[in-house]
Formats: sequence, C-alpha cells, structure tokens
Amino acid sequence: NAGVMQNPRHLVRRRGQEARLRCSPMKGHSHVYWYRQLPEEGLKFMVYLQKENIIDESGMPKERFSAEFPKEGPSILRIQQVVRGDSAAYFCASPRLAGVEQFFGPGTRLTVL
Amino acid sequence: AQKITQTQPGMFVQEKEAVTLDCTYDTSDPSYGLFWYKQPSSGEMIFLIYQGSYDQQNATEGRYSLNFQKARKSANLVISASQLGDSAMYFCAMRRLLQGGSEKLVFGKGTKLTVNP
Repeated sequence: NAGVMQNPRHLVRRRGQEARLRCSPMKGHSHVYWYRQLPEEGLKFMVYLQKENIIDESGMPKERFSAEFPKEGPSILRIQQVVRGDSAAYFCASPRLAGVEQFFGPGTRLTVL
Repeated sequence: AQKITQTQPGMFVQEKEAVTLDCTYDTSDPSYGLFWYKQPSSGEMIFLIYQGSYDQQNATEGRYSLNFQKARKSANLVISASQLGDSAMYFCAMRRLLQGGSEKLVFGKGTKLTVNP
C-alpha cells in the first residue's frame, strides 16, 4: 500500500449512528481519492480531494456522505445516520508522483448492524 | 459512458500454467490508461500493471503482461507460470482524465482466479 494509512481497519456501527473513516496519504502527498467497494463488486469512485479543497465529488451520494481534507491531519470520510446499505469496504488512494498508478490504503471495512 | 467489462466471474488454472483474464472497455476519451489490480483475500488493492492508450508496445511486469488490442478495446491480463499465491480477485480499471487535472479510476466487477496445485 506504499504508505497510505487508513483507520480504523474495521468499523461496526448500528443503524442511525455516524461513521468516520480516516485516510493519511503517502508522506508529502496532498491528494486523496476515496472509493467504495460493495460486496461482490468492483471499486467505485466517490470523491477526489486536495488539501482544503474538494476537486471532484461526482461519485458521492447526495445525502449523509461528506468528505474533507484539512490543512493539518488526515482526510475524513463521514457518513451520517448509517444504513445497512452503507456496509462496504472504503478505500482511499494516493497518486504516485512520478507515475500514473494510484496506491491504495488497506481499506476500512464498515459493517452496519 | 466509460465502462469496464470483465466477463469471467471465476477462472481456474493449474499451478505453473499460464492464464488470461479478459477485460474490455468502452470510452470516447482520446487518451486513457488501463490498469490491473490484484485483491487477495486480505482485502488490499495491489497495483500490477499499466498500459497507456498511446503506448506502442504491450506492457510487461515480470510474470504479468497486458495484451492490449486498441481496435477491439480489450486489455487482457496474462499471468505466466501461475503460482498458488496468485489466487485472488483481479480488477481491470480505466483511468479517466478530467478537467482541472483530476482523474479517477473506473473499475470492472472483477475475476476471481483460483490456482490449483
């Protein structure tokens, strides 16, 4: 995962609670992408952020989901009032500076009871 | 719309044999890139290989090679000399360059490869 950190690795929430997922990109990087992987599916793009800016949020659900990447600290993906359909693996990725690939973090597995 | 299609939900191969995982894509972008990622049962996404749409030669990385046929819009992954550790989900993805310098990856649904001893 080339230094992309995500925590927690596993998160269990009851319906109606809030989930906060954290991502720290590779050192020195200021861009992160968030993807969601539903069971038995490929990853789907959610949002692309630079420090303090949302660049592209075309894949974010219109309600309950938000993302930020403050000047200091990790990027946060926040899901309010979680429902069972939010159960998925959430990955963040950091682009390689001298290449084209995106390096992915280990993911956060969210389970909504 | 940009789309990646992986038609093989599951594939089986004998250890030490070669296997081809299919990927077709649909795009109207003049410039794009194609990736393959491996996802073992532990869940992480591991980058394997990349092919740019203007690259003249097919990409190779060790035992991985990409059979890129632009006219057919296919980018199949070939794994030579399969190993037990190659058992995993394999995802084909396409890189879309967007306005403002952003980009995103569009993924297929994946192929589950099982290597038999």
